[in-house]
Amino acid sequence: NAGVTQTPKFRVLKTGQSMTLLCAQDMNHEYMYWYRQDPGMGLRLIHYSVGEGTTAKGEVPDGYNVSRLKKQNFLLGLESAAPSQTSVYFCASSTVGLTNEKLFFGSGTQLSVL
Amino acid sequence: GEDVEQSLFLSVREGDSSVINCTYTDSSSTYLYWYKQEPGAGLQLLTYIFSNMDMKQDQRLTVLLNKKDKHLSLRIADTQTGDSAIYFCAEKRTGTASKLTFGTGTRLQVTL
Repeated sequence: NAGVTQTPKFRVLKTGQSMTLLCAQDMNHEYMYWYRQDPGMGLRLIHYSVGEGTTAKGEVPDGYNVSRLKKQNFLLGLESAAPSQTSVYFCASSTVGLTNEKLFFGSGTQLSVL
Repeated sequence: GEDVEQSLFLSVREGDSSVINCTYTDSSSTYLYWYKQEPGAGLQLLTYIFSNMDMKQDQRLTVLLNKKDKHLSLRIADTQTGDSAIYFCAEKRTGTASKLTFGTGTRLQVTL
């Protein structure tokens, strides 16, 4: 039972470097999300996808890009990392189309930008 | 405002009841949720309540919803050390593309 898997778990970047975070889910969920978690601010939605080939902006999309080329994968890219992007990043997926919303989360990626 | 608000910290003794409170913003929210985050892990759904209900009980967990005041609470009976975690409330707002809005999280510390 893999569920939602995120890689890597930890990463340290220098300002200006780029990286991609990978999220994979094996539950055949249509919807996938990227959140960031910062102390005292809860979870904030970065981008989300309602299906393969689609993406949409969330609450805090600036500085990030995403792609959903395959239904099971959702990639989050940082083209030019900034210290303000130091955070814990969570991927989630859900079966929507129903009225209820149950998100399944990955275990997170801790990113530090120096 | 847009915020879903929670107090940041709660400490209780093992065996006591814990009550975690949340104030949400959208009176037309259809579902309200409680998620639990253990150290180093992602969030896991604990329970949820549909907006036409006032109360929902699930073993040691009781969810109370006051729609008039837009107030949600989670009561954990007989709190155990394994309940130590961060608890997030979340609302599913109408008119949004199936996204949840999360609160800031309440860290529950259970002492012996």
